[in-house]
Amino acid sequence: SQQGEEDPQALSIQEGENATMNCSYKTSINNLQWYRQNSGRGLVHLILIRSNEREKHSGRLRVTLDTSKKSSSLLITASRAADTASYFCATGPPGGSEKLVFGKGMKLTVNP
Amino acid sequence: EPEVTQTPSHQVTQMGQEVILRCVPISNHLYFYWYRQILGQKVEFLVSFYNNEISEKSEIFDDQFSVERPDGSNFTLKIRSTKLEDSAMYFCASRDWWSYEQYFGPGTRLTVT
Repeated sequence: SQQGEEDPQALSIQEGENATMNCSYKTSINNLQWYRQNSGRGLVHLILIRSNEREKHSGRLRVTLDTSKKSSSLLITASRAADTASYFCATGPPGGSEKLVFGKGMKLTVNP
Repeated sequence: EPEVTQTPSHQVTQMGQEVILRCVPISNHLYFYWYRQILGQKVEFLVSFYNNEISEKSEIFDDQFSVERPDGSNFTLKIRSTKLEDSAMYFCASRDWWSYEQYFGPGTRLTVT
């Protein structure tokens, strides 16, 4: 079954630095989405990239997708303490399936 | 900005009891979902719902679970006879017809004792 797995599992950086998180998956996808979750809270949608797209930007976020390597990366530029959270990638399968398949998540800590 | 809301935020129930978790999806969204996240584990898909019927469900979504859209705004998840292993955070999500972006609610933490 397809599966998003984030790497690294935890990352600690200083405010102002860039943070890069990677996601790998196993099977074909229709789209890949990134979510943020603050401790014990809900999932906040960050960005979606379709399987026919290679790069997408939204504010300080940049997402890339390499379907040949079955991987995606999320770059957060100029990080802030408020970016401290867990980040998840979720893959949307092709063929009309509605379910998102989530990875285990990656904990980002941005130190002030 | 429109958002998905869920009630209650925390529900404690005894094993064997029925629970109903409630969600109000974003207005005008047409696709609705339930996911759950057991503490420390991945977010798992339970069910998707469109046009007043289940469109897809996972192996987790057995006969103990049911969903309903009783009116034009609410979307509910019912667990008929809760088990200890049903303890989890339950998330409702919704999306519009033209985008695959699923928007999640804040979750209901269900604790089964």
